[in-house]
Amino acid sequence: SAVISQKPSRDICQRGTSLTIQCQVDSQVTMMFWYRQQPGQSLTLIATANQGSEATYESGFVIDKFPISRPNLTFSTLTVSNMSPEDSSIYLCSVDQGTDTQYFGPGTRLTVL
Amino acid sequence: RKEVEQDPGPFNVPEGATVAFNCTYSNSASQSFFWYRQDCRKEPKLLMSVYSSGNEDGRFTAQLNRASQYISLLIRDSKLSDSATYLCVVRRAGNNRKLIWGLGTSLAVNP
Repeated sequence: SAVISQKPSRDICQRGTSLTIQCQVDSQVTMMFWYRQQPGQSLTLIATANQGSEATYESGFVIDKFPISRPNLTFSTLTVSNMSPEDSSIYLCSVDQGTDTQYFGPGTRLTVL
Repeated sequence: RKEVEQDPGPFNVPEGATVAFNCTYSNSASQSFFWYRQDCRKEPKLLMSVYSSGNEDGRFTAQLNRASQYISLLIRDSKLSDSATYLCVVRRAGNNRKLIWGLGTSLAVNP
């Protein structure tokens, strides 16, 4: 199974600022995803990070707010831009190696004041 | 209506009890089905896939009813360590491999 790390593990930020979250995988993977899990809510897919091309965003999420990079097959970043308290959430990256299983990073717990 | 619906619970059961969770999905074209487990403040991890014929892994049994669009998870002989949130997950047909997540059912196994 893939081993996934995320940085930072948690952060407390002021509104109006931006935070970039990094996701590193120990092996090359075709598909990487970014999710958000707000308190008491299910996981919500933000976007699919595509290597070498623009990310594919889900309804309700836009590139200006959540720019994503995927420079290679083992690394991706998600930026939460111009943050507001409503962006306080856990942000998770996951990978799909073509099997039935998605593996998740440990998550980044974000609090926006 | 949510695409994947679960009873959020919480389910409070004594050790050794048998507990069953149910899940319904609305998209009849859904292709694959899973139960994930999420411990408090941790990431989700795959518990088991759910196959049409039903499948068992130790104390855990998963069943799928495509006609009723219904998935179940049965836990026998509950352990304290089973306390977690159990997430019903569905993959849509197509090649984008996108997963749709239920809200989760919270289980607390008490001594």
